[in-house]
Amino acid sequence: EAGVTQFPSHSVIEKGQTVTLRCDPISGHDNLYWYRRVMGKEIKFLLHFVKESKQDESGMPNNRFLAERTGGTYSTLKVQPAELEDSGVYFCASSQVGGLAVKTQYFGPGTRLLVL
Amino acid sequence: AQSVTQPDIHITVSEGASLELRCNYSYGATPYLFWYVQSPGQGLQLLLKYFSGDTLVQGIKGFEAEFKRSQSSFNLRKPSVHWSDAAEYFCAVGYNFNKFYFGSGTKLNVKP
Repeated sequence: EAGVTQFPSHSVIEKGQTVTLRCDPISGHDNLYWYRRVMGKEIKFLLHFVKESKQDESGMPNNRFLAERTGGTYSTLKVQPAELEDSGVYFCASSQVGGLAVKTQYFGPGTRLLVL
Repeated sequence: AQSVTQPDIHITVSEGASLELRCNYSYGATPYLFWYVQSPGQGLQLLLKYFSGDTLVQGIKGFEAEFKRSQSSFNLRKPSVHWSDAAEYFCAVGYNFNKFYFGSGTKLNVKP
């Protein structure tokens, strides 16, 4: 079974540009999460989808960040326009629904974003 | 507010020595507890998890962790470290099936 995949693995952009990150969850996982790790600090929650609906977006830093999950499958996270402080590693995770299984999140390899 | 503390930013141990990585959390209720490992160039891999029951849980790669409610801790241990264990280790805490709270990570260096 394929794990969580993320694309691209690395992205280097200039301040003011737009970047779109993509996450494909494990097949059948209705829960999808985005996290970010900035400059060696702790990994912080950004938002949570249940299927195509945003369940919790309390961690989104500001309105330059837009997450979508059309059709309840893959998700995209767009940063527009990117700022220097957006640099970091963006992780995606997914989990099943129902019972205790929903509480275990499986993470992708991350996208390393550098804004110059 | 919920928080997770990993007090050791860097740890160096000799190959074959025992290892203990510390994790403390702050919250009144019993959380769901996880340890993840990130090897260089890799993503986060789940090592083990605790939901309830036996407070000593076994994970992959010979790791174990013990939940101590009185100390709000979930320390990760391994009796004999291998060079391939060099990585960054993250403690994570969840209270429902939404967001996780992570510690800031502990980087493990293994000396030959």
